[in-house]
Amino acid sequence: SQKIEQNSEALNIQEGKTATLTCNYTNYSPAYLQWYRQDPGRGPVFLLLIRENEKEKRKERLKVTFDTTLKQSLFHITASQPADSATYLCAPSLRYGQNFVFGPGTRLSVLP
Amino acid sequence: GAVVSQHPSWVICKSGTSVKIECRSLDFQATTMFWYRQFPKQSLMLMATSNEGSKATYEQGVEKDKFLINHASLTLSTLTVTSAHPEDSSFYICSARAQGAGEQYFGPGTRLTVT
Repeated sequence: SQKIEQNSEALNIQEGKTATLTCNYTNYSPAYLQWYRQDPGRGPVFLLLIRENEKEKRKERLKVTFDTTLKQSLFHITASQPADSATYLCAPSLRYGQNFVFGPGTRLSVLP
Repeated sequence: GAVVSQHPSWVICKSGTSVKIECRSLDFQATTMFWYRQFPKQSLMLMATSNEGSKATYEQGVEKDKFLINHASLTLSTLTVTSAHPEDSSFYICSARAQGAGEQYFGPGTRLTVT
């Protein structure tokens, strides 16, 4: 069955460093992958969408890579700030516009 | 743009009663809306998908007679939890997607507590 794993349940990094979060999937080949941010008690917020034919996508301090050979996506936050502390969810989908399943999430804490 | 609202933000009800939660897309037309449930320290679990004017498609294990979904317009979907029980207490989140789009925009969630 399809499985989505995110590297760790929690990740602590120092302010100013680059945070790298990993999303691995098995038993399927998504054509698209999205990353969302969720703060406690709030709904997720869409961050970035990357297609299988795109190696990398950037938005301000965020960067996402998508390696279909490794079945992995990396999510980077450069120059991290305490305000970046949240849970980050990856969501692969087989086709554009198709429903997707969220990964378990990684709770990122950026320490001042 | 792409704002989704939910109402109420929290609700407490007695066991056996029904609760209705509204989800609205404020600045775009949502051809598809989704309802998720999230338990503490867990990821979101998709409950059902609804397309405007059609019956909702429920995920395996979700009782359609207990969780009634109506998507009567391109900007409004409702979830009614019927005969609520304490185990239905959870955080319910809706999302909306415009036609042809890949990303979903989420509402702020509704905290349901059944006593």
